[in-house]
Amino acid sequence: AQSVTQLDSQVPVFEEAPVELRCNYSSSVSVYLFWYVQYPNQGLQLLLKYLSGSTLVKGINGFEAEFNKSQTSFHLRKPSVHISDTAEYFCAVSNFNKFYFGSGTKLNVKP
Amino acid sequence: SQTIHQWPATLVQPVGSPLSLECTVEGTSNPNLYWYRQAAGRGLQLLFYSVGIGQISSEVPQNLSASRPQDRQFILSSKKLLLSDSGFYLCASTGTASWGNSPLHFGNGTRLTVT
Repeated sequence: AQSVTQLDSQVPVFEEAPVELRCNYSSSVSVYLFWYVQYPNQGLQLLLKYLSGSTLVKGINGFEAEFNKSQTSFHLRKPSVHISDTAEYFCAVSNFNKFYFGSGTKLNVKP
Repeated sequence: SQTIHQWPATLVQPVGSPLSLECTVEGTSNPNLYWYRQAAGRGLQLLFYSVGIGQISSEVPQNLSASRPQDRQFILSSKKLLLSDSGFYLCASTGTASWGNSPLHFGNGTRLTVT
């Protein structure tokens, strides 16, 4: 079975600073990887996905993530955050028909 | 693109009452459908998924059940609600005949409070 670990439950950061949200997964088989964002009382929106190919994937709103197979990691980065990036971020892995999510990281961008 | 409709947005129900949450999907056919529950600080827990009409897989034994009477309709039910059933319920869908390489699309969720 797959599991997803998001190491930080909360990340405070000042506006225009860079940020990295960490995600590690465990799986004995190849998986697909995703990052989602959730604003209060809403569903989740896809930020980016890694299916195959280049290990650096770019998503919406200036986010990118790097797949590292040897470290089983898929960390999310943004070089300069905005107040509007304040939200909860979820890492997910999928295998066949099942999707497994981490416990989420709340990003709090301060002015 | 897909659109996931969920209703109601909020629901307050007494313990022991029945539950029916409905989810319908537009913009795709033969999707995989999912019910997740989100509790504060615990991420998303996969409850049920379905790869076709009448085909339901349960991930966690509990007080809930799911049904898929039509290709793009997914229903979450309970005969008698427990306090522990409170949470934010999310319906999700992938594209046609996905094997996990098609991302999930989510509805806006139902906030269920059992009193």
